[in-house]
Amino acid sequence: ETGVTQTPRHLVMGMTNKKSLKCEQHLGHNAMYWYKQSAKKPLELMFVYNFKEQTENNSVPSRFSPECPNSSHLFLHLHTLQPEDSALYLCASSQDNSNQPQHFGDGTRLSIL
Amino acid sequence: GNSVTQMEGPVTLSEEAFLTINCTYTATGYPSLFWYVQYPGEGLQLLLKATKADDKGSNKGFEATYRKETTSFHLEKGSVQVSDSAVYFCAHIGGSARQLTFGSGTQLTVLP
Repeated sequence: ETGVTQTPRHLVMGMTNKKSLKCEQHLGHNAMYWYKQSAKKPLELMFVYNFKEQTENNSVPSRFSPECPNSSHLFLHLHTLQPEDSALYLCASSQDNSNQPQHFGDGTRLSIL
Repeated sequence: GNSVTQMEGPVTLSEEAFLTINCTYTATGYPSLFWYVQYPGEGLQLLLKATKADDKGSNKGFEATYRKETTSFHLEKGSVQVSDSAVYFCAHIGGSARQLTFGSGTQLTVLP
């Protein structure tokens, strides 16, 4: 139990579907992150939120839309995805957006048909 | 730029063998250094960390020492177990590295 919970664990969707990934942290942290982990590639940072404000968008396509309603919850809204978007999406949190270690959830395995 | 370079895998060892996974980083200033481990089907877990030069991080028999002069943070374990089979990631943040930067990961398989 890492204190960071992601749902669903697995998601299969067509390219025209709309779905959302959810992340919740119970650690009292103020910074939250979305990462993409693809086979044979380094972990890619997608978005950073610090105190509910987005502080980093790492040139992510607009078909990925993050939402952070409060410091404990983070969503990733998905629409019109492409097959190359199939990957493991990891959420993480840290005390703040500094040198503190990040705590990861178990990820959502996303498959685009 | 800021980067982390770690030993290419996969690494296959017999149980009780000695493990070293090399990691070097590029960043100015004094970043914090981390090793994360990812077991099959799970997210990344923090294994150990070091925040200043000559610090030694340790956990579950694993160790790594922050070497500023060689910009390295090599992971070692004296006697690996089958349960150590996982992917290991070296990472840094701080100094000129504003966000957590990961190496490409090293797959370790320990055979009984």
